[in-house]
Amino acid sequence: AQSVAQPEDQVNVAEGNPLTVKCTYSVSGNPYLFWYVQYPNRGLQFLLKYITGDNLVKGSYGFEAEFNKSQTSFHLKKPSALVSDSALYFCASTRSGNTGKLIFGQGTTLQVKP
Amino acid sequence: DAGVIQSPRHEVTEMGQEVTLRCKPISGHDYLFWYRQTMMRGLELLIYFNNNVPIDDSGMPEDRFSAKMPNASFSTLKIQPSEPRDSAVYFCASSPSGGALSYNEQFFGPGTRLTVL
Repeated sequence: AQSVAQPEDQVNVAEGNPLTVKCTYSVSGNPYLFWYVQYPNRGLQFLLKYITGDNLVKGSYGFEAEFNKSQTSFHLKKPSALVSDSALYFCASTRSGNTGKLIFGQGTTLQVKP
Repeated sequence: DAGVIQSPRHEVTEMGQEVTLRCKPISGHDYLFWYRQTMMRGLELLIYFNNNVPIDDSGMPEDRFSAKMPNASFSTLKIQPSEPRDSAVYFCASSPSGGALSYNEQFFGPGTRLTVL
């Protein structure tokens, strides 16, 4: 069965430090992978996606993610965290040939402290 | 574009009452999704439509829940009768087709926070 795991409920980083939010997936076939962000009292917003090609994907607000097929991971990264990056982050996956049904991870709360 | 529009933003009702949540997708998007978000269960897909036709309703928790999409610009999610355990934030999302749908991102509405007393 298809699944997405985010092993950390919360990640704490200091402003200006690099951040990583982890995601692993289990998908048969070629995975399509997404990151979304949710700010308080808001809907989810798309950050970036991996479909094919370069394993390093760049997205909105300076975020990037690295697809690692051997480790079945798609970790979200940012070189220098901002306090305004504090939010709930969701990793999601689907696979080629699927009709768009995304499977979401449980979410990771990112807390960036000044 | 105004994005995905949901109404109401907040709904407080009493157990046993009927609740109707509304969604207007982004114009031109062929897919519409209903999600439920709770602390305990996270984000769950309830149902989704393609060109107004329900494709997968396996996430609908029980017969008390029903969803319709009478046209391309409107969808409803109805709970009848409502129960306290239905309290959650309900999101509507839409997505364009074109090429392989599975790599088009979904656009989420702001959600409806439902409280059933």
